[in-house]
Amino acid sequence: GENVEQHPSTLSVQEGDSAVIKCTYSDSASNYFPWYKQELGKRPQLIIDIRSNVGEKKDQRIAVTLNKTAKHFSLHITETQPEDSAVYFCAASRAGAQKLVFGQGTRLTINP
Amino acid sequence: DTEVTQTPKHLVMGMTNKKSLKCEQHMGHRAMYWYKQKAKKPPELMFVYSYEKLSINESVPSRFSPECPNSSLLNLHLHALQPEDSALYLCASRRTAMNTEAFFGQGTRLTVV
Repeated sequence: GENVEQHPSTLSVQEGDSAVIKCTYSDSASNYFPWYKQELGKRPQLIIDIRSNVGEKKDQRIAVTLNKTAKHFSLHITETQPEDSAVYFCAASRAGAQKLVFGQGTRLTINP
Repeated sequence: DTEVTQTPKHLVMGMTNKKSLKCEQHMGHRAMYWYKQKAKKPPELMFVYSYEKLSINESVPSRFSPECPNSSLLNLHLHALQPEDSALYLCASRRTAMNTEAFFGQGTRLTVV
């Protein structure tokens, strides 16, 4: 089955700097890659997703890149703000599958 | 309405109790999920319902019993739980089970005493 590895497990950056979180997946048939943000005590919320027919997607300060050959995808947050502090989960899903397989999460802390 | 609503928000139950968790969505989604999340861990899939039929059971102990009465509702019946079952229980829904955004409820924080 699919296995998703996520790094780093914790990340601390200065406000205004960029943050990058990386995930690798094992199943070459996976074709849907969402990123979820979970603030303390709250639900996971989708912040951006990408499908395998696209190499990059951007939404304001957030971007995701996908390298199908290497089987990895990354989340990029620019101009970080204190409200970006949260746990971020990547996930992967293969075509026709009902499961979303999550990475282990990255705790991002933005230092003022 | 893009909300998945879960009740109750918090639940404390003894090991001999029977309780139920409820989840509701009115987005017309036909796939509904139960996840268990322990502190500092990712959500762990328990069950998937697709078009009101149970399609995935991730070898969950029988003390957890899911039910999907209709396309908008999902229940999780709890009986004879153990303290290690204490966790955040998340419900999620997707338009279909295939590669679409999953919307999560705010979860039920369950404590088994």
